[in-house]
Amino acid sequence: QVQLVQSGAEVKKPGSSVKVSCKASGGTFSSYAISWVRQAPGQGLEWMGGIIPIFGTANYAQKFQGRVTITADESTSTAYMELSSLRSEDTAVYYCATAEVDCSGGSCYLNWFDPWGQGTLVTVSS
Amino acid sequence: QSVLTQPPSVSGAPGQRVTISCTGSSSNIGAGYDVHWYQQLPGTAPKLLIYGNSNRPSGVPDRFSGSKSGTSASLAITGLQAEDEADYYCQSYDSSLFYVFGTGTKVTVL
Repeated sequence: QVQLVQSGAEVKKPGSSVKVSCKASGGTFSSYAISWVRQAPGQGLEWMGGIIPIFGTANYAQKFQGRVTITADESTSTAYMELSSLRSEDTAVYYCATAEVDCSGGSCYLNWFDPWGQGTLVTVSS
Repeated sequence: QSVLTQPPSVSGAPGQRVTISCTGSSSNIGAGYDVHWYQQLPGTAPKLLIYGNSNRPSGVPDRFSGSKSGTSASLAITGLQAEDEADYYCQSYDSSLFYVFGTGTKVTVL
């Protein structure tokens, strides 16, 4: 079973960037997708984007286009999410999660998100 | 702002049955995309509860069940227990927005 371990909490200034890591173990890293989901305090879950390491390409939610970059390093089985131009509204817990990729219908989709990392709190404050 | 709408809260006494609805549209649930459900206990990461509309992962009690019809899906909890008190989220794929989550529902055990 895949396990995901994320990097520790971060405190950032407005306008700066943050890079969160997600290290996978117990599975074949390149065979599944890694997505990033965030949760602002007291709010719901929000998909930010994801990457399929074997394809090497990332997709992003429109809301985060231009501000988020998701990458994967197959040699270390680690995925990264970098968010730039931080503002106070970006204060949230950021989760990574794996998903199997289903390309049986011609187009490729992610199946359900399982498992999830433990989450990384990013606080944006001056 | 999520495109999948859930009731903010539901409650029930121990042993009762509660249901949580997840209403979407023709670009997500109504387009035939699967619905998945997650349980989030306080202070923890979400955990997969139901996948592919109605399937339970190994280890999930059979008092949890899911269904889907038209542009909506539902999660039912029968024989409600104290440890079921948590937030629940539905999730699907949207042809315009990629992967979307529901607004979330807090289940309270009275």
